[in-house]
Amino acid sequence: AQSVAQPEDQVNVAEGNPLTVKCTYSVSGNPYLFWYVQYPNRGLQFLLKYITGDNLVKGSYGFEAEFNKSQTSFHLKKPSALVSDSALYFCAVREKGSGNTGKLIFGQGTTLQVKP
Amino acid sequence: DSGVTQTPKHLITATGQRVTLRCSPRSGDLSVYWYQQSLDQGLQFLIQYYNGEERAKGNILERFSAQQFPDLHSELNLSSLELGDSALYFCASSRPDLNTEAFFGQGTRLTVV
Repeated sequence: AQSVAQPEDQVNVAEGNPLTVKCTYSVSGNPYLFWYVQYPNRGLQFLLKYITGDNLVKGSYGFEAEFNKSQTSFHLKKPSALVSDSALYFCAVREKGSGNTGKLIFGQGTTLQVKP
Repeated sequence: DSGVTQTPKHLITATGQRVTLRCSPRSGDLSVYWYQQSLDQGLQFLIQYYNGEERAKGNILERFSAQQFPDLHSELNLSSLELGDSALYFCASSRPDLNTEAFFGQGTRLTVV
């Protein structure tokens, strides 16, 4: 079974500092990996995805993620954090179901707190 | 705006009651997914439909059911509600490719009292 783990419940970082939110995965075959962000009382917003190709993926709002096959990781990064980045972040893997219609399996989520 | 519409946004109901949550997917998306988000369980996959047919089932209780209609909108029916069913229920939709992301609605916050 495919799974995703986010080892940190919360990450605290000062504004202007780089941030990393960790994600590791377990899949059979090639992984389809995604990051989503959820602001309070809102739905999940897509940030970026890794399907194939370059291991460094760039996404929305200045976020990027590094795919590492040997470490089965897909960490989310940003060079300089903003207070407005404070939110709940989810890593997900797409499970290959019948007819290429696989569901997303989510990690438990990591709360990012950026302090001024 | 993700293009996925969920109604109602909020729902307060009593234990033992039945409610229906509605989801309209993005134009052109054939897949609809339902997720439950509670504080202690994270995002739990409930069920997936593709072009009107059930495609995958997660940890969905027998008291819960769903369907996708010919116009592709979907409904999640929750019956014999219990206090523990209080949660945020999300609908998501996507195109039928593994390399495409799913887009989420704003969710329906269900409170069972």
